[in-house]
Amino acid sequence: GQQVMQIPQYQHVQEGEDFTTYCNSSTTLSNIQWYKQRPGGHPVFLIQLVKSGEVKKQKRLTFQFGEAKKNSSLHITATQTTDVGTYFCAGRRGATNKLIFGTGTLLAVQP
Amino acid sequence: EADIYQTPRYLVIGTGKKITLECSQTMGHDKMYWYQQDPGMELHLIHYSYGVNSTEKGDLSSESTVSRIRTEHFPLTLESARPSHTSQYLCASSEQGRNTIYFGEGSWLTVV
Repeated sequence: GQQVMQIPQYQHVQEGEDFTTYCNSSTTLSNIQWYKQRPGGHPVFLIQLVKSGEVKKQKRLTFQFGEAKKNSSLHITATQTTDVGTYFCAGRRGATNKLIFGTGTLLAVQP
Repeated sequence: EADIYQTPRYLVIGTGKKITLECSQTMGHDKMYWYQQDPGMELHLIHYSYGVNSTEKGDLSSESTVSRIRTEHFPLTLESARPSHTSQYLCASSEQGRNTIYFGEGSWLTVV
């Protein structure tokens, strides 16, 4: 079954509001990546987190990796219409090179 | 953006037809992958390759097959397409020792 879950599945916000998606794994991850997929497009790599408790920022986006390396979050401050899309987390377990994608969160931003 | 190309981008075929989805990358990446994604759903790994003559099944069982005769080329073949194969197929690659995966633009397959 699915081992990397994301909540919520869907979020509709007004432009300017904040948005957060949460990613939870049933097992410890060696690292976690985040991807963004625009409607009709393909996933594009955003960032990778490796260390326990790591926090990284990209302009209005803040990414966090949990202390136990089982969960992660992506927070967008003051959303814009260009933020629309599905955000996927993806994690690797142990020495495996296979990336397990989360279920995704679809963000809709109303102008 | 990465240099990874998929053809065709869109394909509508009849049941029972054989089809090959092409994927090529010009970055010299050793690792290549095929993911299947239904609209609005998560990505499922169906095949991967760590180099020439290396192919493995992914986490999601698939009736498709792949080959890796050249580093840059990783085609996916369906011998007899069925409506249940209707989906988007995403090819991807990554560099040995690096974790970032670069995706192609995808091939939308519809089997009628």
